[in-house]
Amino acid sequence: AQSVSQHNHHVILSEAASLELGCNYSYGGTVNLFWYVQYPGQHLQLLLKYFSGDPLVKGIKGFEAEFIKSKFSFNLRKPSVQWSDTAEYFCAVNGGATNKLIFGTGTLLAVQP
Amino acid sequence: DAGITQSPRHKVTETGTPVTLRCHQTENHRYMYWYRQDPGHGLRLIHYSYGVKDTDKGEVSDGYSVSRSKTEDFLLTLESATSSQTSVYFCAISDRAETDTQYFGPGTRLTVL
Repeated sequence: AQSVSQHNHHVILSEAASLELGCNYSYGGTVNLFWYVQYPGQHLQLLLKYFSGDPLVKGIKGFEAEFIKSKFSFNLRKPSVQWSDTAEYFCAVNGGATNKLIFGTGTLLAVQP
Repeated sequence: DAGITQSPRHKVTETGTPVTLRCHQTENHRYMYWYRQDPGHGLRLIHYSYGVKDTDKGEVSDGYSVSRSKTEDFLLTLESATSSQTSVYFCAISDRAETDTQYFGPGTRLTVL
């Protein structure tokens, strides 16, 4: 069965610090990869996605993610975080001929002003 | 934002009572999903629908049933609510399988006493 691991459960950063959130998945075939963000009290919103092509994907609000097939990873990065980036971040994978998304357990990011 | 509404947005009920949550979309998307979100578990798929009257089970379907009689509506029913079903429930939609992005509704916070 597919699974998604987010090893950082809770991250605290100061404004302007760089961010990298890890995401690893277990599936040997073709995958579609997503990062969603959930701001406090809100629903999930798509940050970025990877289907094929350039493994470095740029999303909204200055976020990017790199797909490294050999490492089964899809880490999320942002060079300089802001207080408004405080949110929970979810990695998700859709593998093979299925429309079922498998989510990681989420990483709660707190950015201190 | 995708045109997805959920009702009710908040509900408190007692153990053993039936509960129905409604998801309504205005996007005419084929696929609809119900997830539950719990701390430490991320989002887990309960049931999904791939067309009118076509539904299938997800990862955590026990104790839940669904119905989809119209493209725009997807109902989630807890026949006899239990305290373990206290959660936040999210509906999502997508237009195609596999490579399509899922868009999420605002969520319903359900408390079972």
